[in-house]
Amino acid sequence: KQEVTQIPAALSVPEGENLVLNCSFTDSAIYNLQWFRQDPGKGLTSLLLIQSSQREQTSGRLNASLDKSSGRSTLYIAASQPGDSATYLCAVTAVGNQAGTALIFGKGTTLSVSS
Amino acid sequence: DARVTQTPRHKVTEMGQEVTMRCQPILGHNTVFWYRQTMMQGLELLAYFRNRAPLDDSGMPKDRFSAEMPDATLATLKIQPSEPRDSAVYFCASGLRDRETQYFGPGTRLLVL
Repeated sequence: KQEVTQIPAALSVPEGENLVLNCSFTDSAIYNLQWFRQDPGKGLTSLLLIQSSQREQTSGRLNASLDKSSGRSTLYIAASQPGDSATYLCAVTAVGNQAGTALIFGKGTTLSVSS
Repeated sequence: DARVTQTPRHKVTEMGQEVTMRCQPILGHNTVFWYRQTMMQGLELLAYFRNRAPLDDSGMPKDRFSAEMPDATLATLKIQPSEPRDSAVYFCASGLRDRETQYFGPGTRLLVL
């Protein structure tokens, strides 16, 4: 059964710092991996989607990498800002998943960036 | 700006009452998902539709939960009878195609007393 783990569960950094969020998954048979952002009391916003054949994706100050063989992904945030404060969720679409296409989520990393 | 909409945004009800949550997926998306989020379990899949056909609802307690798509613009999730352990945030998401980016609605926050 596919399991997704995110470490750390919470992270506090001063503004301007570069940071890395980690995600690991137990089964390397995935179609893709997505990173989401969730603000308190709000829904999820997709940040980046990496297909299983890709190694990384970039959007602005965000860079996500994928190492499928080792079951790991990282989300790199450059020059963090207070507006980046949110919970970041990692999710995979697993091959052979019962739904075939539904996402399996980690519990998230809650990021706090202080000014 | 196309987005997934969900109603109601908040619902407080008493144990035993029926709860109906509604979702309007993004026009043209052919996949629709229902997820539930709790502090303990995180986000979990409840049901999945492709082209309005239910493909997987194995994550749903069948005795009390039901999910339907009466048409392409409406998905519903019903709980009858509701129990306190059903208290959670219920998210609907839609996608243009299988295995592509899913777009989430704002969620329905359900509290069952």
